[in-house]
Amino acid sequence: GAVVSQHPSRVICKSGTSVKIECRSLDFQATTMFWYRQFPKQSLMLMATSNEGSKATYEQGVEKDKFLINHASLTLSTLTVTSAHPEDSSFYICSARAPERGRTGELFFGEGSRLTVL
Amino acid sequence: KNQVEQSPQSLIILEGKNCTLQCNYTVSPFSNLRWYKQDTGRGPVSLTIMTFSENTKSNGRYTATLDADTKQSSLHITASQLSDSASYICVVSAGDYKLSFGAGTTVTVRA
Repeated sequence: GAVVSQHPSRVICKSGTSVKIECRSLDFQATTMFWYRQFPKQSLMLMATSNEGSKATYEQGVEKDKFLINHASLTLSTLTVTSAHPEDSSFYICSARAPERGRTGELFFGEGSRLTVL
Repeated sequence: KNQVEQSPQSLIILEGKNCTLQCNYTVSPFSNLRWYKQDTGRGPVSLTIMTFSENTKSNGRYTATLDADTKQSSLHITASQLSDSASYICVVSAGDYKLSFGAGTTVTVRA
């Protein structure tokens, strides 16, 4: 079964509202989680690295006030898209690293969340 | 700049045939190289992970090779099935766990 769970899988919201996406590691503790954005027929683009108990590290060009990331526990990270606009519509994917699973640090991805902003 | 180039961008093959996908990278320092399969509208699923010392690794009908000297990797799909239709992504990790993603190769298997 899936070791990283994302919720919701699909969400439709009105422009100007905020949307929260959850990423949970189901059977391991993840000190680090990653959030990606993927446009149609393109590869994943890293948005930010979420570290448990500390502030997220955002990639260049990603607005930290727009995409709020909280990693309050070792099994949960959340991404909140604030004041969403149609251009925020995308496929958002999280991943979590399980460092205890071998020295290569197995990386597990969530199933993704499709956000549509009307 | 760390880069991962995948080729071809897309390919169409008949069911039962084999195909090979390529991944060239300039990531340094090198930690490991991963191949993922991503079905449309789903999250990527790991196929193989290879470190510097590994030349080949298999996962069922998927076989990945790695030449760390030339910084090239390939993913070979044997006896393709309709369920192999997906995007295949090459991901290279630098020593600091910074991941560099390839743009992916879209494989379409036709009956």
